[in-house]
Amino acid sequence: DAGVTQSPTHLIKTRGQQVTLRCSPISGHKSVSWYQQVLGQGPQFIFQYYEKEERGRGNFPDRFSARQFPNYSSELNVNALLLGDSALYLCASTQGSEAFFGQGTRLTVV
Amino acid sequence: KQEVTQIPAALSVPEGENLVLNCSFTDSAIYNLQWFRQDPGKGLTSLLLIQSSQREQTSGRLNASLDKSSGRSTLYIAASQPGDSATYLCAVRRDYKLSFGAGTTVTVRA
Repeated sequence: DAGVTQSPTHLIKTRGQQVTLRCSPISGHKSVSWYQQVLGQGPQFIFQYYEKEERGRGNFPDRFSARQFPNYSSELNVNALLLGDSALYLCASTQGSEAFFGQGTRLTVV
Repeated sequence: KQEVTQIPAALSVPEGENLVLNCSFTDSAIYNLQWFRQDPGKGLTSLLLIQSSQREQTSGRLNASLDKSSGRSTLYIAASQPGDSATYLCAVRRDYKLSFGAGTTVTVRA
């Protein structure tokens, strides 16, 4: 079975632009979460979606938004990019208790 | 707010030595605790999951203990190998999100 897949793997954007990151959970998993990991730190929670509804949101500005589709895949959108948004963005799918992470999308804002 | 601390931040040992990685958390009302491995620039690989009702979990050379009342978990890696070199992260779950420590970066010298 395929694990959690994220696309693209790397992305370079200019300040002020908008970006969309994509995530496909493990087959059968209905919950998807997004995390931001800045270099040298642990991941920080951004959103959780379950059955297409937002179940939780971390301490991130409204420039960050997400949605989940009927097939349980998810998109994370970030508007008006800032240099500080440069990070590894991780997607996790959860079934029961255990979280499984994808390889991440490395976003660089220049 | 849950605070997760991992000590030490970095560790260098000769091959064959046992590794002891520590994780502490401030709020003991957790659902479970998960240990992850992260290679440079990559996503997270789940190593062990301990439910809040459990005291320890084992997988091969890995053993993790949990003392929920004191807010501590320890990951033991027996007979370390150069391939064990990575960053190890612990994360505690409450409700819908994981709260992570900053990780311990391990180097195993051949």
